[in-house]
This record gives sequence, C-alpha cells and structure tokens, in this order.
Amino acid sequence: EAGVTQFPSHSVIEKGQTVTLRCDPISGHDNLYWYRRVMGKEIKFLLHFVKESKQDESGMPNNRFLAERTGGTYSTLKVQPAELEDSGVYFCASSSSPQRQSSYEQYFGPGTRLTVT
Amino acid sequence: AQSVTQLDSQVPVFEEAPVELRCNYSSSVSVYLFWYVQYPNQGLQLLLKYLSGSTLVKGINGFEAEFNKSQTSFHLRKPSVHISDTAEYFCAVTRASRAAGNKLTFGGGTRVLVKP
Repeated sequence: EAGVTQFPSHSVIEKGQTVTLRCDPISGHDNLYWYRRVMGKEIKFLLHFVKESKQDESGMPNNRFLAERTGGTYSTLKVQPAELEDSGVYFCASSSSPQRQSSYEQYFGPGTRLTVT
Repeated sequence: AQSVTQLDSQVPVFEEAPVELRCNYSSSVSVYLFWYVQYPNQGLQLLLKYLSGSTLVKGINGFEAEFNKSQTSFHLRKPSVHISDTAEYFCAVTRASRAAGNKLTFGGGTRVLVKP
C-alpha cells in the first residue's frame, strides 16, 4: 500500500510568486490534513478535509493560502503571492474514516520544503 | 485549546545507553497522546499512541511511554539506544472527541543524537 506522497519535495520561489503544493493521501482515507513547520518552530495545523469538505481551516494563516480537495482524493495548497515568512516545511497527513477508531492515526508524507527568497 | 511542551530541544546520548524524552501537555479536555519520529529526509512516523487503558504504552523499535494524568506528562523512553535512533522526536496531542476532528497539536521536537 502506497503511503502519503507529496510533490514537489523542494520548491524555491521568489517573493510574490505563486506555488502549488500537492498531496496524495493513502487510498481510501477520508481525512486529509495540512501542517506546516517554520524553521525553529513547532509543527502547526493548517486545515482538515473530510472527503472534499473543509472541516476545519482555523490554522490557515491568511487568505494568501488556498486549499482544495477536488473529488475527495488528492489535495492542493496554493500560496499566492508568496511571502518570506511562508518558508518552511509543509506536511500532509491522512487518516481513515472518522467512524473508525484508527482515524486517530495520522500518516504523514515526507513534506515539501518551501523556500521563499 | 491544547499545548505541548517538550522540555529538551536536543539530547545527546551514547549508543546502548538509555534515553528519556520529556513531554508535558496542557488541556481543559481529555486528550489522546502520540509520539512521532522523523528520521533524516523522511516524513513523520508514528512511534506509539495512548488512547485509553494501560498507561504504559509500547511502540515500535523498543520505545515505550507512560501517560501520567496527574502530572499531565507523556514521557518517552528507550532502555538502550542504537545509532539508528538518531532522529527528531515529536510529542503530540489531539482532543479525545471524534466530533471535533483530529488535528494534532505538536511540541517543538527533541533532536536525539546517538554517539558511538
């Protein structure tokens, strides 16, 4: 069974440009989460999808960030326009249906390291 | 809201020595607790979790953790470390309510460096 995959693994862009990060969750996982770790800080929650619906987007820093999950499969996180403080590692995680006990176990992807110069 | 404090940012330890990574949390509601590990150039991997039951939880790779509700702690231990345990370790909590979603609140991480 394939794990959570993220693309790209690294991205270096200039301030003001747009970047789109992609996450492919484990097949069949309804829950999809985005997290971010800014250098030297803790990993912080950004948002949570259940299938294609945004369940919780309380962690999204501002309206420059747009997340989508079309069809309840893969998800994209777009940053437009990027600012210097957006640099960090963006993690995606997925877990099974909320009705299952195992839904508490989140499986993480390797992350996308974003550098804004 | 929950918060998690990992008291040590870095822990150097010699191979075959024991290690303990400390984690304290704060929450006004019941929580579930997790330890994740991130090996170099890899994603986060679940080491172990506490949902209910026995407060001593055993995980993968010989790690174990003990949930102490009165001290709001969930310290991670391994009696004898290997070079391959060099990694960053994260303590995390989530609200123990499926209806509230399962977003994780993480501590700042502890880097473990195992020396030969």
